[in-house]
Amino acid sequence: DAGVTQSPTHLIKTRGQHVTLRCSPISGHKSVSWYQQVLGQGPQFIFQYYEKEERGRGNFPDRFSARQFPNYSSELNVNALLLGDSALYLCASSLALAGGPGHEQYFGPGTRLTVT
Amino acid sequence: GENVEQHPSTLSVQEGDSAVIKCTYSDSASNYFPWYKQELGKRPQLIIDIRSNVGEKKDQRIAVTLNKTAKHFSLHITETQPEDSAVYFCAPGGGFGNEKLTFGTGTRLTIIP
Repeated sequence: DAGVTQSPTHLIKTRGQHVTLRCSPISGHKSVSWYQQVLGQGPQFIFQYYEKEERGRGNFPDRFSARQFPNYSSELNVNALLLGDSALYLCASSLALAGGPGHEQYFGPGTRLTVT
Repeated sequence: GENVEQHPSTLSVQEGDSAVIKCTYSDSASNYFPWYKQELGKRPQLIIDIRSNVGEKKDQRIAVTLNKTAKHFSLHITETQPEDSAVYFCAPGGGFGNEKLTFGTGTRLTIIP
């Protein structure tokens, strides 16, 4: 049974560029959440999508955007990259939204983004 | 927003002893209380969780206790083993209208053989 998958594994970008990160949830899971984990800190919530609709947004600038596709996979886009965007970007999937049955979130291996 | 604190930030225990990590949170609407384990260079792994209508949950050597009135919950690991060494995060969330998990700052647990 495949878990959450993310691509690419590693990425190096230059300041000002944009990046697209991809996530495939566990089969049958309809919710995808994105988190940013800076070295030495806990993951910080960026977005949650459920049934292709945005259901939550964290305290991140408008340079960050995301979407969910009909097959429930998701993309995270970051424009005008800054050095401070260097982090591990984690995707988590769950059957349902928080508060209901099947809301447990399972994480993918992450994409390590380095901005130079 | 939710304010989450974990204590202690680092913890070293002898193999076989018990370890306890406490998490305090501020949002009284939170109703879901998971603990994640993250080994170096790996993804966070859900190890145990509890919902607000339950006071305690146990899974083999791991247990979580919740005090919703005081807004804190704790992770208990008994008979610790070297493979328990990792960073542990609490991540309360799931309250109505609050779909996200808010992670604590983490506790680095080291098991001394």
